[in-house]
Amino acid sequence: DTEVTQTPKHLVMGMTNKKSLKCEQHMGHRAMYWYKQKAKKPPELMFVYSYEKLSINESVPSRFSPECPNSSLLNLHLHALQPEDSALYLCASSPQGAYNSPLHFGNGTRLTVT
Amino acid sequence: GESVGLHLPTLSVQEGDNSIINCAYSNSASDYFIWYKQESGKGPQFIIDIRSNMDKRQGQRVTVLLNKTVKHLSLQIAATQPGDSAVYFCAETMDSSYKLIFGSGTRLLVRP
Repeated sequence: DTEVTQTPKHLVMGMTNKKSLKCEQHMGHRAMYWYKQKAKKPPELMFVYSYEKLSINESVPSRFSPECPNSSLLNLHLHALQPEDSALYLCASSPQGAYNSPLHFGNGTRLTVT
Repeated sequence: GESVGLHLPTLSVQEGDNSIINCAYSNSASDYFIWYKQESGKGPQFIIDIRSNMDKRQGQRVTVLLNKTVKHLSLQIAATQPGDSAVYFCAETMDSSYKLIFGSGTRLLVRP
């Protein structure tokens, strides 16, 4: 079990659907991250929230919309996705920045876009 | 032995042997390095980290070596066990950064 919980574990959605991925941590961490991982590839950074404010957007298309409602929760809203967006979406948290201590990862949401 | 092909590089070792997984990092300004283990269907799991003011750090059965001159990082696993089979990623970041960037990964297969 990890201390970062992601739901759902699996998601299948059509290109016209709107869905959301959820992430929760109760470690008191103030930085939260979204990564995207394609098969046999390393995780790629998408977004970073620091103290509930978006601090990094790695030029992610606007069909991905992050939200940090409070210090424990992180959402990723999905709309009008493409089949190539199918991937494992990983959430992570750290006490402060990535330079300070290792990121703690959840087990991800496996997304399939049909 | 180690092989590099169209997919993840793979290191195959006999159970009980020592494993060495290598990583070349890209940014000479990086000063904090982490090794992660990722098992099938799971997220990356922290193994060990090292800062640039050190060249070696040891954990339980694992050792990380850092050579800043050639921007090279290695992970040594002693007495490799079947449960060590996974994909291993190195990751790097720099002072005051929120960006953790992953290397390409190596699959470790442990033969019984």
